[in-house]
Amino acid sequence: DQQVKQNSPSLSVQEGRISILNCDYTNSMFDYFLWYKKYPAEGPTFLISISSIKDKNEDGRFTVFLNKSAKHLSLHIVPSQPGDSAVYFCAASGNTPLVFGKGTRLSVIA
Amino acid sequence: EAGVAQSPRYKIIEKRQSVAFWCNPISGHATLYWYQQILGQGPKLLIQFQNNGVVDDSQLPKDRFSAERLKGVDSTLKIQPAKLEDSAVYLCASSPGQGDYEQYFGPGTRLTVT
Repeated sequence: DQQVKQNSPSLSVQEGRISILNCDYTNSMFDYFLWYKKYPAEGPTFLISISSIKDKNEDGRFTVFLNKSAKHLSLHIVPSQPGDSAVYFCAASGNTPLVFGKGTRLSVIA
Repeated sequence: EAGVAQSPRYKIIEKRQSVAFWCNPISGHATLYWYQQILGQGPKLLIQFQNNGVVDDSQLPKDRFSAERLKGVDSTLKIQPAKLEDSAVYLCASSPGQGDYEQYFGPGTRLTVT
């Protein structure tokens, strides 16, 4: 039973445009959400997070939006750059170990 | 600041053999995690240590997997005997304290069981 779902395995975006990565969760006890970025042959690196008391968190080109009623969060990257090409994992926790989604592979085309 | 170190980076073994992975976390980080990432999946927590004590090992297949962090610093994860379905990347991560959501990952060890 997948508690964190990333339904798009891959996404291609033109350089300079917006990338939107989506994540859905089923466990209503989750109260903290994170995005990790992973390059090939490297471990995941933390990108941005959001607590359930907020609906938006912004850090430079990266913004995460949380819709608690829909149990949905999204990561917006504006503008997208070729160096953003990587696999992005959504993760969630509710005073429990992190639960990761399967990831979305983002390709930013120059 | 040095990151999380793992070795070996790659390992190929036959089923029923044993294998061990090593992890050295970021200096001063009290919490250490071992994850298993099967191809096409997200990382799944196997075990979490706080200093040298186990916090969570509920998803560790204890009949074949074991892990230790004897001096509260580096850690080893062992599989004995290995099965084909153990083929995966084994990731080690660390964080300064317990309950830190922002974890720092090592590069992982890719295990292939034939």
